[in-house]
Amino acid sequence: SYVLTQPPSVSVAPGKTARITCGGNNIGSKSVHWYQQKPGQAPVLVVYDDTDRPSGIPERLSGSNSGDTATLTVSRVEAGDEADYYCQVWDESSDQVVFGGGTKLTVL
Amino acid sequence: QVQLQESGPGLVKPSQTLSLTCTVSGGSISSGGYYWSWIRQHPGKGLEWIGYIYYSGSTYYNPSLKSRVTISVDTSKNQFSLKLSSVTAADTAVYYCARVDDCSAFDIWGQGTMVTVSS
Repeated sequence: SYVLTQPPSVSVAPGKTARITCGGNNIGSKSVHWYQQKPGQAPVLVVYDDTDRPSGIPERLSGSNSGDTATLTVSRVEAGDEADYYCQVWDESSDQVVFGGGTKLTVL
Repeated sequence: QVQLQESGPGLVKPSQTLSLTCTVSGGSISSGGYYWSWIRQHPGKGLEWIGYIYYSGSTYYNPSLKSRVTISVDTSKNQFSLKLSSVTAADTAVYYCARVDDCSAFDIWGQGTMVTVSS
């Protein structure tokens, strides 16, 4: 089955840029979605279809996807961005949803 | 604005069937265009997709759970439901219901409900 690999943790200072990667075989051919989950809360969709943002999501969060890696970029990081981030795709070869293992973003 | 709310027992005995319902408000399940899904999260762990259903009854399930899972829809009540049979402690998790848009993104989530499997 299809596997998505994320780093367990990423740390960044306030005001800097965080990049969270999501690796998968030829993931560039798939549509990647990203979720933000804060402690005790349900996940929130922050990027869909590789690069699009739902209404209300700040432009500081952006996505890209090419080759074997999709990336969620958080620019001008704020304390409120501290959360777990998950990538997700639909794997058409097995007809199932696949989530990455999640990345904890820590704001130093 | 569409909202989802999970409901059901918070404690289930081992070997029994876990049953949860998700009530959709602010929109109709039978209007089409979306799938309706269940996802779970074990304590301190990542997200695990369980399956989803279209208003017509068409379903997709996680192969690892397929033998124990049934997802159904009741358009008259604007609800969809999850049944997970033969539960063990490994099924203890927060269970979320969510709406799935046309590019397979989970765009609206319920708040989640904790289910503990214990005698």
